[in-house]
Amino acid sequence: QVQLQESGPGLVKPSQTLSLTCTVSGVSVSSGGYYWSWIRQRPGKGLEWIGYIYNSVNTYYNPSLKSRLTISVDSSKNQFSLNVNSVTAADTAVYYCARELRYFQGYYFDSWGQGTLVTVSS
Amino acid sequence: DIQMTQSPSSLSASVGDRVTITCRAGQSISRFLNWYQQKPGKAPKLLIYAASNLQSGVPSRFSGSGSGTDFALAISSLQPEDFATYFCQQSYDTPWTFGQGTQVEI
Repeated sequence: QVQLQESGPGLVKPSQTLSLTCTVSGVSVSSGGYYWSWIRQRPGKGLEWIGYIYNSVNTYYNPSLKSRLTISVDSSKNQFSLNVNSVTAADTAVYYCARELRYFQGYYFDSWGQGTLVTVSS
Repeated sequence: DIQMTQSPSSLSASVGDRVTITCRAGQSISRFLNWYQQKPGKAPKLLIYAASNLQSGVPSRFSGSGSGTDFALAISSLQPEDFATYFCQQSYDTPWTFGQGTQVEI
């Protein structure tokens, strides 16, 4: 059974870089067929998909955030990570990592981490 | 981006009620529509994928329908553990987008 767990600082200063890691167990992040995503939920708001990585090196980012994002994989630790540069208060959110499955019927997030709150404040 | 609009934003219901939540896409998304349940302080949980396919382990009182732009999630007999917020999500075209959520409360 796959499990995901986010980790990282809960407080980041404005203009700095937000860095989070998702540790995956039960499956290799390097195995083909899975897309590893980051999703966030601002306080009292809905869900916003940030981007994904697949096959360890291929990424796709939400255009609304693309210029500030980096998603990468550390296969040796079975982790994938998110960096968001130049953060502002608008980046305050609960950040989730999730696995996306893709079958001919459709694409969907079947496994999620518990989420981690990141607050941007001086 | 494909806009997803849910209705209602919230609803009050009782245990045993049949509840229906709708989701409308800003353009046709075929059947690339998923439904998630989220309880306070928890991660979303997949209920339905590809419009009408029940995720493994999800009770059969949940069902999904629709195609194109109009979709629905139905709960046939509301149980106490079903009081939560429900989100739809399109996976037809990136960036993936979610509806704003429907809160089901007593």
